[in-house]
Amino acid sequence: AQTVTQSQPEMSVQEAETVTLSCTYDTSESNYYLFWYKQPPSRQMILVIRQEAYKQQNATENRFSVNFQKAAKSFSLKISDSQLGDTAMYFCAFMKLPTNSGYALNFGKGTSLLVTP
Amino acid sequence: DGGITQSPKYLFRKEGQNVTLSCEQNLNHDAMYWYRQDPGQGLRLIYYSQIVNDFQKGDIAEGYSVSREKKESFPLTVTSAQKNPTAFYLCASSDDSGEKLFFGSGTQLSVL
Repeated sequence: AQTVTQSQPEMSVQEAETVTLSCTYDTSESNYYLFWYKQPPSRQMILVIRQEAYKQQNATENRFSVNFQKAAKSFSLKISDSQLGDTAMYFCAFMKLPTNSGYALNFGKGTSLLVTP
Repeated sequence: DGGITQSPKYLFRKEGQNVTLSCEQNLNHDAMYWYRQDPGQGLRLIYYSQIVNDFQKGDIAEGYSVSREKKESFPLTVTSAQKNPTAFYLCASSDDSGEKLFFGSGTQLSVL
């Protein structure tokens, strides 16, 4: 079974600053996807960014980017120019490929991020 | 608009009672999932279904049951055997690419 570890239960950052959320995972698979999901106070799950393991280039979506270190099994999320609306729980998730379990995700326990004025 | 609808938003269960959470999607997705979210625990997989009339247990299936009679619907029943049902329940679906899970807005279940 794959495990996903988020070692920072809570983090805080000031508006306009940069913050990095950590995620490590344990797997023997060579082909997989990694995700970061955001859950604001509304509790709606929102996909932030996705990384395919076979791609060496780190994924980027506007102010969000990842540092994917496959050998180290590390997948951190960097949020640049933090905004108040970034306040949320952030979950790191793993999906192995190919799979007999559809595309079920294994989630970490989450990091609560607070952006302060 | 296409999406996933979960109902009700809040649900209360009495001791010994079975309750059913609804999940409907109009995205034409084959695969659907149920997750349970507890504070500080992240999301854990209860059941998933890759196709109509077929479903598989996830990591924490005990005390739960599901059905998949229609492509659009994947209801979850929390049975009286589930001794700690208080949690936030999320339904999701995905297409054949697996590139993204689409989530519903969730149901908060509490015990009276």
